[in-house]
Amino acid sequence: AQSVAQPEDQVNVAEGNPLTVKCTYSVSGNPYLFWYVQYPNRGLQFLLKYITGDNLVKGSYGFEAEFNKSQTSFHLKKPSALVSDSALYFCALRSNDYKLSFGAGTTVTVRA
Amino acid sequence: GAVVSQHPSRVICKSGTSVKIECRSLDFQATTMFWYRQFPKKSLMLMATSNEGSKATYEQGVEKDKFLINHASLTLSTLTVTSAHPEDSSFYICSAPTLAGGLARAQRNTDTQYFGPGTRLTVL
Repeated sequence: AQSVAQPEDQVNVAEGNPLTVKCTYSVSGNPYLFWYVQYPNRGLQFLLKYITGDNLVKGSYGFEAEFNKSQTSFHLKKPSALVSDSALYFCALRSNDYKLSFGAGTTVTVRA
Repeated sequence: GAVVSQHPSRVICKSGTSVKIECRSLDFQATTMFWYRQFPKKSLMLMATSNEGSKATYEQGVEKDKFLINHASLTLSTLTVTSAHPEDSSFYICSAPTLAGGLARAQRNTDTQYFGPGTRLTVL
């Protein structure tokens, strides 16, 4: 069985500071990992994905994520957070039949 | 513009009535779509996989007679909540993967799942 975990319910950072949202996974075989962001009462917006290739993946809105096979992690990062980055972030793991398993979500609050 | 649309965005209905939610892929064909349910401040729970040309497959614990799914075309899936009750009140979200064989625009990521904006259902 595959699973993904987001160990932090909430992350608070000051605007301009680096932002990291943690994600770890468990899967037999190659992982297909995704990050999505959700704003209140909206659907999920795709940020980035790791399928294969470079371990550092660059995505939308200045976000990037680093795939670390030895630590089974796929942490989302942004060098300088904005107030507008405040939202709910989901890490997801895709199975061979395209189903997504989501982490519990991490609420990010960026204070001005 | 949006890759996947949902209609309606918000619906309020009386207990016992049925509600239909549409999910459309706007610029690519989707032989498969997924329906999720999300409770406040919670993660998404996969309800079922909608398959064009065949029956939907439901996750364990999801009542197929309660949540009817029809994948009418390569761009449309519908979820009908039958005989709705207050406990069915939730945020329903659909998604569709852009597969390598689909007719995705060049700027879309292939092998990526795109989500609709969601439908807020309130059953009184």
